[in-house]
Amino acid sequence: DQQVKQNSPSLSVQEGRISILNCDYTNSMFDYFLWYKKYPAEGPTFLISISSIKDKNEDGRFTVFLNKSAKHLSLHIVPSQPGDSAVYFCAASAFDPPPLYGGSQGNLIFGKGTKLSVKP
Amino acid sequence: DTEVTQTPKHLVMGMTNKKSLKCEQHMGHRAMYWYKQKAKKPPELMFVYSYEKLSINESVPSRFSPECPNSSLLNLHLHALQPEDSALYLCASSQELGGVSSPLHFGNGTRLTVT
Repeated sequence: DQQVKQNSPSLSVQEGRISILNCDYTNSMFDYFLWYKKYPAEGPTFLISISSIKDKNEDGRFTVFLNKSAKHLSLHIVPSQPGDSAVYFCAASAFDPPPLYGGSQGNLIFGKGTKLSVKP
Repeated sequence: DTEVTQTPKHLVMGMTNKKSLKCEQHMGHRAMYWYKQKAKKPPELMFVYSYEKLSINESVPSRFSPECPNSSLLNLHLHALQPEDSALYLCASSQELGGVSSPLHFGNGTRLTVT
């Protein structure tokens, strides 16, 4: 049972336009979300993160939006560049047990990834 | 350039062989991880070490044996593997175990083929 879902296996965007990658989750205990980018033959590279106390985090061309009520997050890349072509993984984790009880952050659960192709 | 170095990049081994995967980081991170990734699947956690002690073992078969000799090194010893163990094995590290400012830094992985 997938707790983190990336329903689009692939996305193709023209250079200069916006890329929007979506991610849905089912576990309401998740409180920390990350996006990783992966090129072929390389390990995933951390891109941007957001904690559940925020609804937006921006870093240069990359912005992550979190909608807790919809259990949905998205990664916006503006403007898209050919070098952004890669597989993007959404990941989530939760404190287990909650921090009040001395819990530590649990396992990072990854989605299956979305392959982004940015065409010149 | 990745700051987490994994060797070898590729490994082919028979089911009776014993081999080891190595991982090294010099970022002063105190948590290190082994992930396994099959083709077109997300990375799956295998083991977590925090301050050189095994913190998490995700019910991994005993033919995989992790070792953390010091805070910079993480090994994965392999023995009597099965062909279905063929996968990309990713090492990662983070400043601490968990916490909102401790994203994982991944190595480029070892592509393992078991024949």
